[in-house]
Amino acid sequence: RKEVEQDPGPFNVPEGATVAFNCTYSNSASQSFFWYRQDCRKEPKLLMSVYSSGNEDGRFTAQLNRASQYISLLIRDSKLSDSATYLCVVTGGSGNTGKLIFGQGTTLQVKP
Amino acid sequence: GAVVSQHPSRVICKSGTSVKIECRSLDFQATTMFWYRQFPKQSLMLMATSNEGSKATYEQGVEKDKFLINHASLTLSTLTVTSAHPEDSSFYICSASKNSNQPQHFGDGTRLSIL
Repeated sequence: RKEVEQDPGPFNVPEGATVAFNCTYSNSASQSFFWYRQDCRKEPKLLMSVYSSGNEDGRFTAQLNRASQYISLLIRDSKLSDSATYLCVVTGGSGNTGKLIFGQGTTLQVKP
Repeated sequence: GAVVSQHPSRVICKSGTSVKIECRSLDFQATTMFWYRQFPKQSLMLMATSNEGSKATYEQGVEKDKFLINHASLTLSTLTVTSAHPEDSSFYICSASKNSNQPQHFGDGTRLSIL
């Protein structure tokens, strides 16, 4: 079983749609959680950290369920520029080493 | 915000060549940097953790004699792919953060192509 699992997609949605991505992780000792965005042939860029209380940044909302080891990302009012691969990322193992474990990524294509 | 610079961005060379990639933290000191590799349509895989002033910690399956890591200062880590072969062709990315509680920032990545 992969340490971080995501549906690779692709998700093809029209502009203005709301889309949700899910992610599960296997290591209950993971302490920090993030969503990164990666454009084709580029480096990942931090989209947002994910907190147990849930957090929102503009059109983006992230949720964490530690009991289910489940993370979600909701994108409202999708823009063409949101087309990218979204990476679910968790810190690996016990102790705060900063080591990141990446999911395969979920590809989003927003169509006009 | 924090900036991580990686150089070169693109390398094309012959089989058997050794290639050095640099990763610099431009506006903060990083005692720890990380090196990842990403093959097409796959997720980033951690290769090793680079520790300033000490030996790197390699992930299982990564050959330490093949991928030499040097972290001689708080702002620079280098990865050398020794005697590179076509199967080493990949996207190599480094990352660093101000401390382990902060999100990591990534370098621009190095696209390595071995002919």
